[in-house]
Amino acid sequence: GESVGLHLPTLSVQEGDNSIINCAYSNSASDYFIWYKQESGKGPQFIIDIRSNMDKRQGQRVTVLLNKTVKHLSLQIAATQPGDSAVYFCAEGWSGGTDKLIFGTGTRLQVFP
Amino acid sequence: GAGVSQSPRYKVTKRGQDVALRCDPISGHVSLYWYRQALGQGPEFLTYFNYEAQQDKSGLPNDRFSAERPEGSISTLTIQRTEQRDSAMYRCASSLFNTEQFFGPGTRLTVL
Repeated sequence: GESVGLHLPTLSVQEGDNSIINCAYSNSASDYFIWYKQESGKGPQFIIDIRSNMDKRQGQRVTVLLNKTVKHLSLQIAATQPGDSAVYFCAEGWSGGTDKLIFGTGTRLQVFP
Repeated sequence: GAGVSQSPRYKVTKRGQDVALRCDPISGHVSLYWYRQALGQGPEFLTYFNYEAQQDKSGLPNDRFSAERPEGSISTLTIQRTEQRDSAMYRCASSLFNTEQFFGPGTRLTVL
């Protein structure tokens, strides 16, 4: 299958540690943000989203933080597992206009046992 | 079906030929999106539909690219007179309506 993210920024963590992946978004008007996980040979898979009226949202083992002041988004993964190894993309959208998503540069997460 | 499906999964064509890529969204999903993804990059928006209406085609690179969704379900992305620079992974996604987008496996297009 294809290999995603041959030259992407890489975060290496040990199994069981917490991971933090960061993303800077570009459009001040964006009000919807999503994190996607992409494993090699597969399409992006939705992880968690957040709207601009919130600054934190928690899911199962994942937390997304939004700082609108500096246009920064982060994804925190608790107790990282080998199955979390993938490329992670943030995406931004704007509910007031078109429904398209603008994806950021991905980050490769490598989890070592 | 259980998820978004795309066909063909791989397409190799010669420069100058036309290609048609198909997307079958999740049943009942109103919105359908086309993206292009280069190796090592995030998906790049091309166009999207709500039902059969094309809402935004601002991401289509030029007039060789077109898309349709005549009955509000299956969609076809057509690239005319293909060029080598069109080589990429073409991904389709669908959503209920302005909600989480579910992506398909993609069509890998190679233009020789």
